[in-house]
Amino acid sequence: AQSVTQLDSHVSVSEGTPVLLRCNYSSSYSPSLFWYVQHPNKGLQLLLKYTSAATLVKGINGFEAEFKKSETSFHLTKPSAHMSDAAEYFCVVSVGDKIIFGKGTRLHILP
Amino acid sequence: DAGITQSPRHKVTETGTPVTLRCHQTENHRYMYWYRQDPGHGLRLIHYSYGVKDTDKGEVSDGYSVSRSKTEDFLLTLESATSSQTSVYFCAISRSGSDGNEQFFGPGTRLTVL
Repeated sequence: AQSVTQLDSHVSVSEGTPVLLRCNYSSSYSPSLFWYVQHPNKGLQLLLKYTSAATLVKGINGFEAEFKKSETSFHLTKPSAHMSDAAEYFCVVSVGDKIIFGKGTRLHILP
Repeated sequence: DAGITQSPRHKVTETGTPVTLRCHQTENHRYMYWYRQDPGHGLRLIHYSYGVKDTDKGEVSDGYSVSRSKTEDFLLTLESATSSQTSVYFCAISRSGSDGNEQFFGPGTRLTVL
């Protein structure tokens, strides 16, 4: 069975400082992992994905994530936050037809 | 942007009435999904389809049914709407499981059941 846990429901950072959104997963098989972003009143957009190639994955808008099998983690990072990064972020684990969403982390950017 | 539309975008209805939401895609993707999004729960899968007339239940399927008679259309029906089904509903599509199920999402339908 698969599961995904986003460790923080809310994260606040100042503009220009690093962002870290944490995600742990559980899977009996080699999973695919994704991060999606949802801006207010919008649909979800793919940020990046891991599908068993390079463990460090680069996405759009300067985000990246590292797959760490030993820690069962797939944390999302960005070196310098921008006001436009304020949104909700979802970590997703997928095995075969099974797709499980985390409950989301709302990122607040302080001026 | 992936060619996914949802209709209606907003709907207000009364308890006990039937409601049908439509998802339409122009990408010819095999998989289609219906999710509901509620505060504190993230997205939860209601039903999905892996081909025409091939559907399966998700984690919150009670009170919902689906149909897919054409590749491009996936309908979600609430046979008798309840207030607990007030939510935002998202449709998603993906090519297949072979690319890790990367999904593309529609704009959402906000449903209010009074």
